[in-house]
Order: sequence, then C-alpha cells, then structure tokens
Amino acid sequence: AQSVTQLGSHVSVSEGALVLLRCNYSSSVPPYLFWYVQYPNQGLQLLLKYTSAATLVKGINGFEAEFKKSETSFHLTKPSAHMSDAAEYFCAVRGGKLIFGQGTELSVKP
Amino acid sequence: GAVVSQHPSWVICKSGTSVKIECRSLDFQATTMFWYRQFPKQSLMLMATSNEGSKATYEQGVEKDKFLINHASLTLSTLTVTSAHPEDSSFYICSASGDRAAYEQYFGPGTRLTVT
Repeated sequence: AQSVTQLGSHVSVSEGALVLLRCNYSSSVPPYLFWYVQYPNQGLQLLLKYTSAATLVKGINGFEAEFKKSETSFHLTKPSAHMSDAAEYFCAVRGGKLIFGQGTELSVKP
Repeated sequence: GAVVSQHPSWVICKSGTSVKIECRSLDFQATTMFWYRQFPKQSLMLMATSNEGSKATYEQGVEKDKFLINHASLTLSTLTVTSAHPEDSSFYICSASGDRAAYEQYFGPGTRLTVT
C-alpha cells in the first residue's frame, strides 16, 4: 500500500530564502509522485510530477523536486521564496488511488 | 489543456434540502472522475471514484445514499448532497483522469457548500 508523510505542517521562511518542503513516501511499486499547491478557497494546481524518468524534476514557478529512492523522499525546493508562494502544499503518491499527505502550509515573511 | 470546471463555486442551502454540484472536463474525455471533501486546514479526503457509465465506488465511511454521484457522460459528473445538514458543510473538489495520462488527475476549482 502507498502512503505519504509530509514533515512539518507549517513552514515559515523569509522572502528570498530557500524553500524546502519535505515528503517521504512508501510504495511497494515504482511510484508516481506529485506536488500540488492550493491557494485559499481554490482547487489544486499541479506543481510537478515524477513518473520514473529523470530523478530531478522541474516544475512551475521555479520549484523542483528530487526523487531519492534510497531515502524514499521527494522533497520540494525553491531557491528563493516569493510572497506569492505562500499557500498550502500537498505531496501525493499515485497507486490505485491518489494518496495525499497532510499538507504543509508555507508562510513567507517580508 | 486539461481543464476541469465545477459549478457552482459556492452554494448556501438550508438544512434538509438537496444540492447538486457539477464537475466538467472541458477539453478532454474523463473516463474516471473523483470526488474529494476537504475540511479547513486539512488534506483532501477521497469520497468516491466514478467511471463513465458505471456506478460510483465509495470509500469506506461515505454514505452512498447521502452523496449521490452520477457520471453519465465522458465530460460530466455530478455530486448531489441529499438532505443536507450543517455537518455536510465543506469544500468539495472533483478531479478527472482520462485519455491524456491515466495516472494523472486534473482538479477542479472546488465548491464551497454551506448548510444553514
């Protein structure tokens, strides 16, 4: 069975600082992994996805994530945070269903 | 491409009434649609999965008679909340997958339901 754990329900960074949102997964088969962003009262927007091609995946808005099989991780990073990055971020793994982590709220301080 | 719409975006209804939420795939054929419920500050909870022309498969703990799902065409699924109560107030999000990439789901913008 697949599962996802996001470490840290809330992360706060200063504008211009590195963003690191952690995600660890459990899967008995090669996983499909996703990061989504959700702004208040909106649906989910796909940031990036891993589908067993390149382990370093680049997404929209300057985000990227690296698939590390040995660590069962798929952490999301962005070199320089912007105020507009403040949102809820969800990591997800696709098995038979799409299974979401609990989410990490990112705050960006000016 | 791969746009999913929901209607209405928000709805207020009185306790005991029913409300229907529509989910449409605008530029692809959605062979499978999913309905999620999200409480404030929480993750998405899958309610049910529906395949076009088939009965929906509900997750454990989701009342089939209360949350009626219909997926009558490849571009439309509906969720009807019957005899709504205040505890049904929530954010409902649909998603769809289909003829583009079966492993990928495209999400609608969500519907905020408030039952008074």
